Amino acid sequence: GEDVEQSLFLSVREGDSSVINCTYTDSSSTYLYWYKQEPGAGLQLLTYIFSNMDMKQDQRLTVLLNKKDKHLSLRIADTQTGDSAIYFCAERYGNKLVFGAGTILRVKS
Amino acid sequence: AAGVIQSPRHLIKEKRETATLKCYPIPRHDTVYWYQQGPGQDPQFLISFYEKMQSDKGSIPDRFSAQQFSDYHSELNMSSLELGDSALYFCASSSLAGGQNEQYFGPGTRLTVT
Repeated sequence: GEDVEQSLFLSVREGDSSVINCTYTDSSSTYLYWYKQEPGAGLQLLTYIFSNMDMKQDQRLTVLLNKKDKHLSLRIADTQTGDSAIYFCAERYGNKLVFGAGTILRVKS
Repeated sequence: AAGVIQSPRHLIKEKRETATLKCYPIPRHDTVYWYQQGPGQDPQFLISFYEKMQSDKGSIPDRFSAQQFSDYHSELNMSSLELGDSALYFCASSSLAGGQNEQYFGPGTRLTVT
């Protein structure tokens, strides 16, 4: 079935690293995405990874994929107050994206 | 860089009225997707189009219809609106040349049904 799950809330201090976790269900080859949504705004594509990869790094963002456990994580290094937002994990099924419920990241200064 | 454009950004309608939402994809993108995000919820896929043909269908009510035009813009038509239709409606676009791997979302249309 199509199911993507995320932890709902994460609070970190400014300058610390944030790790947002996600689990997915599809066992076939697919793409996995991280989107950021600020209050009242649209979804910003942050990064994505193909399921045959283990890791992808893009500036402050690191995506780790554990295929065996179907576990995806997004690490944000040196978290800033501007990183406060909802982060959605999504899995691609055919053309469509199936999203997790979103993780609220709160960054304390 | 040009992004996905949606109009209107905000729309207020009464129950049983109709609404039309418009989406202009990123230039040279040939695929559009519509998603619905209820308050405090994750986006849910409604429907997608590639080269003016419906390519996939999700949880779109029969009261809704959509199409993609020759200039690749898309419209979502919503009839007999219900209070539960109040949500943020996103359009996203991608290109087959890019492997459809990157879906870029517009800013959304916030529909309020009273």
